[in-house]
Amino acid sequence: DAGVIQSPRHEVTEMGQEVTLRCKPISGHDYLFWYRQTMMRGLELLIYFNNNVPIDDSGMPEDRFSAKMPNASFSTLKIQPSEPRDSAVYFCASSLQGPYGYTFGSGTRLTVV
Amino acid sequence: EDQVTQSPEALRLQEGESSSLNCSYTVSGLRGLFWYRQDPGKGPEFLFTLYSAGEEKEKERLKATLTKKESFLHITAPKPEDSATYLCAVQAVGNEKLTFGTGTRLTIIP
Repeated sequence: DAGVIQSPRHEVTEMGQEVTLRCKPISGHDYLFWYRQTMMRGLELLIYFNNNVPIDDSGMPEDRFSAKMPNASFSTLKIQPSEPRDSAVYFCASSLQGPYGYTFGSGTRLTVV
Repeated sequence: EDQVTQSPEALRLQEGESSSLNCSYTVSGLRGLFWYRQDPGKGPEFLFTLYSAGEEKEKERLKATLTKKESFLHITAPKPEDSATYLCAVQAVGNEKLTFGTGTRLTIIP
């Protein structure tokens, strides 16, 4: 398996633009997680899905953020409109049910100027 | 609310100088405590899962231990390639999400 695949690796956009981050989880994993990592706050959970259904979105900062999982092999995280404070590395991870830990993707480094 | 605190924030060691990283946690009921390694520009990479107090796990120069309130990651005779940020996370019973600490940035000097 190729692991968790995220795209793009880097994204630079202007304030006010829409940004879409993409993730392909490991086949057979039924949980998918979106995290954001900053120097100040570390890794913060934004939202997670079980069998394509959002379970906990309490970490989504505000209405500008939305996430979807239309099928078991694809998820998106969208920011509209983007702001400079959204600049961070966004990670997607997937796992099986249970205390087995996650497999993380390589992340998308987002810079909003 | 689950909380994880890691110390120190950064640690510089000479090659071969052994030390320990600390992870203190509070969780409603521990399902698992996880250690990850993160290299610059990459996603966290899984190292260990510990499930109950007294448990220990080893991998090469790393050994993780667990008590009811904290976990230690012991590194023995480290090499420069052990330089990375080490992250600790907890998972509560009945929950699938992991709560992470902010990590310890370890630098091994040749």
